[in-house]
Amino acid sequence: EAQVTQNPRYLITVTGKKLTVTCSQNMNHEYMSWYRQDPGLGLRQIYYSMNVEVTDKGDVPEGYKVSRKEKRNFPLILESPSPNQTSLYFCASSLWQGAYGYTFGSGTRLTVV
Amino acid sequence: DQQVKQNSPSLSVQEGRISILNCDYTNSMFDYFLWYKKYPAEGPTFLISISSIKDKNEDGRFTVFLNKSAKHLSLHIVPSQPGDSAVYFCAASARMDSNYQLIWGAGTKLIIKP
Repeated sequence: EAQVTQNPRYLITVTGKKLTVTCSQNMNHEYMSWYRQDPGLGLRQIYYSMNVEVTDKGDVPEGYKVSRKEKRNFPLILESPSPNQTSLYFCASSLWQGAYGYTFGSGTRLTVV
Repeated sequence: DQQVKQNSPSLSVQEGRISILNCDYTNSMFDYFLWYKKYPAEGPTFLISISSIKDKNEDGRFTVFLNKSAKHLSLHIVPSQPGDSAVYFCAASARMDSNYQLIWGAGTKLIIKP
């Protein structure tokens, strides 16, 4: 089944404790992206990657890192999480950046206390 | 400054009637508009799209209308069914600085009443 898999689905952590949210897709998509969803703000892009070893900042990159060492994986790293990073995170992929049929993961709900 | 606005946080519609979800935008450079549907505990799924050169696109019970002069698009669902209860996101795409950007609205929660 074609899908984007995110882990974990739920995570509660403390301020400053590094964490990684994994994202993997099995569709050989070139383009991958991370979003956060907050009430009243819709989806805001954090980082995106157009291909292996090619990553770039989205609208809200502060406090996040990403890497794209292989095509299928695009982990999101929070080096020192803070409470304002409490949010619902989605990973998405598509054939290429301009292709609009994004496939989204099921989401990761992160709470930073 | 929100370039894509969905002004109704929620909408309640009787089963079998028409649901109309609205979206306004400010950037005339947007060349593609999309609607995504999201159920609780799931990621958004692509529903329907429309190019800026068209004014209507239809797919089964779903029709999207685009009014470029008013910078407004709407999603019509006819007839509405209980499974349509979800959050609907409007998104718009533009090419900016050699990259494509997808700008999202805040979403409208549609509730279909039996």
